[in-house]
Amino acid sequence: QVQLQESGPGLVKPSGTLSLTCAVSGGSISSSNWWSWVRQPPGKGLEWIGEIYHSGSTNYNPSLKSRVTISVDKSKNQFSLKLSSVTAADTAVYYCARKYQLLRGFYYYYYMDVWGKGTTVTVSS
Amino acid sequence: DIQMTQSPSSLSASVGDRVTITCQASQDISNYLNWYQQKPGKAPKLLIYDASNLETGVPSRFSGSGSGTDFTFTISSLQPEDIATYYCQQYDNLPQTFGQGTKLEIK
Repeated sequence: QVQLQESGPGLVKPSGTLSLTCAVSGGSISSSNWWSWVRQPPGKGLEWIGEIYHSGSTNYNPSLKSRVTISVDKSKNQFSLKLSSVTAADTAVYYCARKYQLLRGFYYYYYMDVWGKGTTVTVSS
Repeated sequence: DIQMTQSPSSLSASVGDRVTITCQASQDISNYLNWYQQKPGKAPKLLIYDASNLETGVPSRFSGSGSGTDFTFTISSLQPEDIATYYCQQYDNLPQTFGQGTKLEIK
């Protein structure tokens, strides 16, 4: 079955750029699904960051849009997150997830059914 | 953004109890709502999609209902392994948004 694994630096300096990669195994990133990033600050709830389709189409959370870039590398079967101008408020566990697309009748239903284990990123000098 | 409000924020119940969590959307989201379970130090796990559909492999004691703005998540008989935080999530409009979570503890 599909598995996801996040990787990247665990420590980023303030004003720097956070860069993470999510490797997809057991399936193709070119399948009919969206690929998402979600984060969770310490002791807090879940925040959706954005998503990408294998075609390169993206959707971002407006609260982060000016700082976020999500890209896909089909040759490596992985997708990536870049978050620029980071501050301590960006300290969080970052998860990648598959947003499964289910067509039923005339409607699409979406749910994040496969998640990576998460990676902790701390923003500190 | 659509705001998702869960109630209660925390809940203490005994093994075998029926547990109910509610989730209210700030506008009509039809049935475009999912429920997730998150155990400490772990990634969220999908339990219910499309408001009432049980994800494959999830025990039948979990259920969901509702449409429009008001949704309910129920555990029919609480088990010790159900201790976790539960989140609702809407996907009717981007950005997808989550409720603030309901932390479930054993009494």
